[in-house]
Amino acid sequence: DQQVKQNSPSLSVQEGRISILNCDYTNSMFDYFLWYKKYPAEGPTFLISISSIKDKNEDGRFTVFLNKSAKHLSLHIVPSQPGDSAVYFCAASGSSGGSNYKLTFGKGTLLTVNP
Amino acid sequence: DAGVTQSPTHLIKTRGQQVTLRCSPKSGHDTVSWYQQALGQGPQFIFQYYEEEERQRGNFPDRFSGHQFPNYSSELNVNALLLGDSALYLCASRPGTGNYGYTFGSGTRLTVV
Repeated sequence: DQQVKQNSPSLSVQEGRISILNCDYTNSMFDYFLWYKKYPAEGPTFLISISSIKDKNEDGRFTVFLNKSAKHLSLHIVPSQPGDSAVYFCAASGSSGGSNYKLTFGKGTLLTVNP
Repeated sequence: DAGVTQSPTHLIKTRGQQVTLRCSPKSGHDTVSWYQQALGQGPQFIFQYYEEEERQRGNFPDRFSGHQFPNYSSELNVNALLLGDSALYLCASRPGTGNYGYTFGSGTRLTVV
């Protein structure tokens, strides 16, 4: 039973346009959400996160939106650059109950930004 | 500043053998987690170590065990290897028990033949 779902295995966008990656979750105990980027032969690299007390967090070209009622979050990349081409993982964790900070990942979305 | 260091980078083992993977956390980090990433899947949580104790465990059999040393480095041991254990094994570290983003290593690619 997948608790974090990324329903689009791949996404292709033109350089300079917006990339929107989506993620849905089912576990209502999740209250902290993260996006990681992964290049081949490298480990995942932390990109941006958001706490459930917020609905938006922005860091440069990257913005994450959280809709708690819909159990949905999205990552917006504006403008997209060819170097953004990678696999993007959505991850979630629950901070209630003490040290329950394990990450539950989606399957990832392969983003390709075409020059 | 070195990030998370894992060794070896690649490993080939025969079914039934045992394997030990190693991880040195990022400087200043004392909590280490291990993840298994099968092909086409997201990383799956194996277990987490803090203060040399296993604090949390994912849905993995007892063949998977670990250890954390006083210098915060960690080992992942897998006994009686199965073909299905072939995967990328990722180590991740973070400071303390707060809810911070983990720093991941580049992983160990384990192939069981």
